[in-house]
Amino acid sequence: GAVVSQHPSRVICKSGTSVKIECRSLDFQATTMFWYRQFPKKSLMLMATSNEGSKATYEQGVEKDKFLINHASLTLSTLTVTSAHPEDSSFYICSASRANYGYTFGSGTRLTVV
Amino acid sequence: KNEVEQSPQNLTAQEGEFITINCSYSVGISALHWLQQHPGGGIVSLFMLSSGKKKHGRLIATINIQEKHSSLHITASHPRDSAVYICAVYGNNRLAFGKGNQVVVIP
Repeated sequence: GAVVSQHPSRVICKSGTSVKIECRSLDFQATTMFWYRQFPKKSLMLMATSNEGSKATYEQGVEKDKFLINHASLTLSTLTVTSAHPEDSSFYICSASRANYGYTFGSGTRLTVV
Repeated sequence: KNEVEQSPQNLTAQEGEFITINCSYSVGISALHWLQQHPGGGIVSLFMLSSGKKKHGRLIATINIQEKHSSLHITASHPRDSAVYICAVYGNNRLAFGKGNQVVVIP
């Protein structure tokens, strides 16, 4: 079945540094990938839609300069949290959609900014 | 009011019991997903439904499009079924998520 690999699974970084999270579709081509953020005991919140070869579409309230998304190939999308602050600490998850198969999710990345 | 409401928010069951969790939505949809999130955070897609009923192992998912309602049933529940079950609906070119049902199965 469709597999989406996301890494790292956990990362701790210092305030002010940048962190890159990768999301790869392993056995299918994902023209569209989605990035979500999840706060404790809350729903998944869509941050942006990443389209291969074009700029990402950000949801209202999500800073595009803060959360840089790159989708350079049909199998890889990256989310870079720039100049991270403690309030960026959260759980980030990617997913890819595939016609007739619905959504496949990555395993998530727990980001802690200290 | 959220587009996707799940109930009960929290459910505790004894091992072996039959469990039902529910999802109601208020928008027109083309598909509904049931997802499972374990304490580590990773999400597994269990079902994608647009009508009727699907079964996979001990899990059964049903959807009633007219009533805008879906249920997920777990038969012969086991402690490894302990997780958060998230309902997500796809409509208007986007996926909307419920807050999840926290299920705990006690040995």
